[in-house]
Amino acid sequence: DIQMTQSPSSLSASVGDRVTVTCRASQSIGNFLNWYQWRPGEPPKLLIYGASSLQSGVPSRFSGSGSETDFTLTISSLQPEDFATYYCQHSYNYPRAFGGGTKVEI
Amino acid sequence: QVQLQESGPRLVKPSETLSLTCTFSGYSFSSGYFWAWIRQSPGKGLEWIGSVYKSGTTYYNPSLKSRVTILGDTSKNQISLKLNSVTAADTAIYYCARELPEEADAFDIWGQGTMVTVSS
Repeated sequence: DIQMTQSPSSLSASVGDRVTVTCRASQSIGNFLNWYQWRPGEPPKLLIYGASSLQSGVPSRFSGSGSETDFTLTISSLQPEDFATYYCQHSYNYPRAFGGGTKVEI
Repeated sequence: QVQLQESGPRLVKPSETLSLTCTFSGYSFSSGYFWAWIRQSPGKGLEWIGSVYKSGTTYYNPSLKSRVTILGDTSKNQISLKLNSVTAADTAIYYCARELPEEADAFDIWGQGTMVTVSS
């Protein structure tokens, strides 16, 4: 089974900062990597699919890159509503798996 | 647009069976796609539980496989989750979600989630 490892587990940042979250797969997954944002009281929200494709309606300050085993989520200029937890997830095969999450705090 | 709604008991006793239903609107289960159950325990991350297709094909998380059953019901346009022999560790928010092949099988639509507590 494919394991997903995210780093860091948490980070502190300020409004306007550029933030980068990394995700590593235990084996090659091509570009079958997705990113989600989770805020308490809400369901997770799909931000990026296929490693780098921006989901409709998601602000362009979010971007994704990478392939095979190493992936990155970047927020170019952090906004107040971006303080949340971010998860990567592979969809290469079953069983699906999520990373442990990265909490972005003020 | 497609909407998902989870429903079921919010409190389950230890050793009993957790049963939830996810009802779709705006889309027919018989039309296709895999549909998944995902949970989030307090203070922990997201955990994929399993997925089901209209044909009845299912895939489960190996760590839960011995206790989980996911079924689809085309007549009621819903999927269901049964998790037996529950413990406090199964206390979580349970979500249903759609896997969209056009978007790398990502979970593009989610229900609001339902909090289930395991306690006597």
